[in-house]
Amino acid sequence: NAGVTQTPKFQVLKTGQSMTLQCAQDMNHEYMSWYRQDPGMGLRLIHYSVGAGITDQGEVPNGYNVSRSTTEDFPLRLLSAAPSQTSVYFCASSYSNHNEQFFGPGTRLTVL
Amino acid sequence: KNEVEQSPQNLTAQEGEFITINCSYSVGISALHWLQQHPGGGIVSLFMLSSGKKKHGRLIATINIQEKHSSLHITASHPRDSAVYICAAQGGKLIFGQGTELSVKP
Repeated sequence: NAGVTQTPKFQVLKTGQSMTLQCAQDMNHEYMSWYRQDPGMGLRLIHYSVGAGITDQGEVPNGYNVSRSTTEDFPLRLLSAAPSQTSVYFCASSYSNHNEQFFGPGTRLTVL
Repeated sequence: KNEVEQSPQNLTAQEGEFITINCSYSVGISALHWLQQHPGGGIVSLFMLSSGKKKHGRLIATINIQEKHSSLHITASHPRDSAVYICAAQGGKLIFGQGTELSVKP
């Protein structure tokens, strides 16, 4: 099993550009989530999904969209990137919201 | 005040020392997670516990539900244990502490 995969590993954007961070898992997990990690802030939940077709907002959802058309994939879209979105983004999955979380390797995003 | 607080924020130890990292939380939880993050690396789940104690190799995690406190212990520490250790409280969602950066010197 590949576990949780994320692409790209690194990305530099200009303010106003859009992009999609990809996340996929091959463990048939229902629960998937996106976090951002900033120095001194800890991990913060952006959006999460409890199954295909179901998504909900986390702690810091503004500026981000998600969709969950399949169990395997949970892409995160930045519609108009801002410097405040410079961060490291982690995708995670688990059987449910109350099970061990499996994290992807992260995407380091810089917005200029 | 953060809902999940870790102490210390930074810790330097000599190889072989016994290490304790503490986590206090103020929310109701169903479980407490301990995670490990190596420099520039991904995040790995070490433990998920809802009561008592769990042990894996040289790592031991304990939780006291009444006191809303958990500890992560590392016995016979080694330089490869150098990492950031993160606790997360599992309520309706995961709430993360800010992490403890551990450096173990040879």
